[in-house]
Amino acid sequence: NAGVTQTPKFQVLKTGQSMTLQCAQDMNHEYMSWYRQDPGMGLRLIHYSVGAGITDQGEVPNGYNVSRSTTEDFPLRLLSAAPSQTSVYFCASSYLGTGGFDEQFFGPGTRLTVL
Amino acid sequence: LAKTTQPISMDSYEGQEVNITCSHNNIATNDYITWYQQFPSQGPRFIIQGYKTKVTNEVASLFIPADRKSSTLSLPRVSLSDTAVYYCLVGGSNDYKLSFGAGTTVTVRA
Repeated sequence: NAGVTQTPKFQVLKTGQSMTLQCAQDMNHEYMSWYRQDPGMGLRLIHYSVGAGITDQGEVPNGYNVSRSTTEDFPLRLLSAAPSQTSVYFCASSYLGTGGFDEQFFGPGTRLTVL
Repeated sequence: LAKTTQPISMDSYEGQEVNITCSHNNIATNDYITWYQQFPSQGPRFIIQGYKTKVTNEVASLFIPADRKSSTLSLPRVSLSDTAVYYCLVGGSNDYKLSFGAGTTVTVRA
């Protein structure tokens, strides 16, 4: 299994540009999520999905869109990049457990710089 | 979601035991306690999860008192490679908006 993969690893954008961060998992996980991590801080949830066709907002959704057309893929779209979106972006996936929240598997991250 | 409080940083030396306590006073009946580890430039990695009493795996132990208002992650005989940020999360099966706080930065020195 490849686990959770993210592309690209690095990206530089100019203010106002749009782009899509790709995330894929091959573990047949129902739950997928996107986090951003700013320097020296914890991870903040942007959007999440509990299955194909179902998405919802997290803690910091403004400026980002997501869709979940398949179980495997969960792309994150930046609509009009701003310098405040400079961050490291992590995608994660997990099963939806019957008890506690199941173990989340994280991708390697995408380091985004907006000039 | 139950809010968690944990120390910002802890220092230790190789071979010592490191105990990180997380407070979660308003934990709900259905909530579990989960710990993650994050190395620089990597995504977090699951360490351990528990509901009550004690859980142990090959990496760590998790101690949860009867009132479940706190929990302690114990890392036995740490090495330099255990230097990382450790996050405490509390939530149940319907808590889709899991929150990673600032975590505890553990620095292990030789």
